Amino acid sequence: GQQVMQIPQYQHVQEGEDFTTYCNSSTTLSNIQWYKQRPGGHPVFLIQLVKSGEVKKQKRLTFQFGEAKKNSSLHITATQTTDVGTYFCAGPLTGNQFYFGTGTSLTVIP
Amino acid sequence: SAVISQKPSRDICQRGTSLTIQCQVDSQVTMMFWYRQQPGQSLTLIATANQGSEATYESGFVIDKFPISRPNLTFSTLTVSNMSPEDSSIYLCSVGGTYEQYFGPGTRLTVT
Repeated sequence: GQQVMQIPQYQHVQEGEDFTTYCNSSTTLSNIQWYKQRPGGHPVFLIQLVKSGEVKKQKRLTFQFGEAKKNSSLHITATQTTDVGTYFCAGPLTGNQFYFGTGTSLTVIP
Repeated sequence: SAVISQKPSRDICQRGTSLTIQCQVDSQVTMMFWYRQQPGQSLTLIATANQGSEATYESGFVIDKFPISRPNLTFSTLTVSNMSPEDSSIYLCSVGGTYEQYFGPGTRLTVT
């Protein structure tokens, strides 16, 4: 079945350092979504990427969709303590159903 | 966007009992999704609930264990039946289309 793996599983960074999480799918994806889940919270949608090679930015966050549409990355520049949480990528199963990646837990040390 | 509420927010239950979780959305939606998130893990889709038809279950989840109701376009329930400690998880409902999903706050279930 479809598998969506993320690396690293955990990342500790000093505040101000950059952070990147990588998402890899065993199959080609029509699109990919990214979510953030704060400790004790629920996942919150960040962005969707659809096109091969697409790059989107949200302030300090940069999202990229691979040329083959099987991988994606999320890069955070100059992390802040508010960036703490687990970041999930999600690829479509069918239509409106999504399969979530394994997640990367980010800790930011002040 | 959609605002989703869930009840209860948390519960501690004894093994062998059942718990019904309610999910309410502030707008009419065609599909509602139920996920399980075990401690420190990712989200696993349990089933998709469509109004007016039987829920569609993912591999590893069965209707006898996780019966779902969808009486109208704004409400759904998930029952966790004959619970065991392995059912201790956060259960989340969500709604959404092709572009994004909105999640409820979750129900944290502990089975003793």
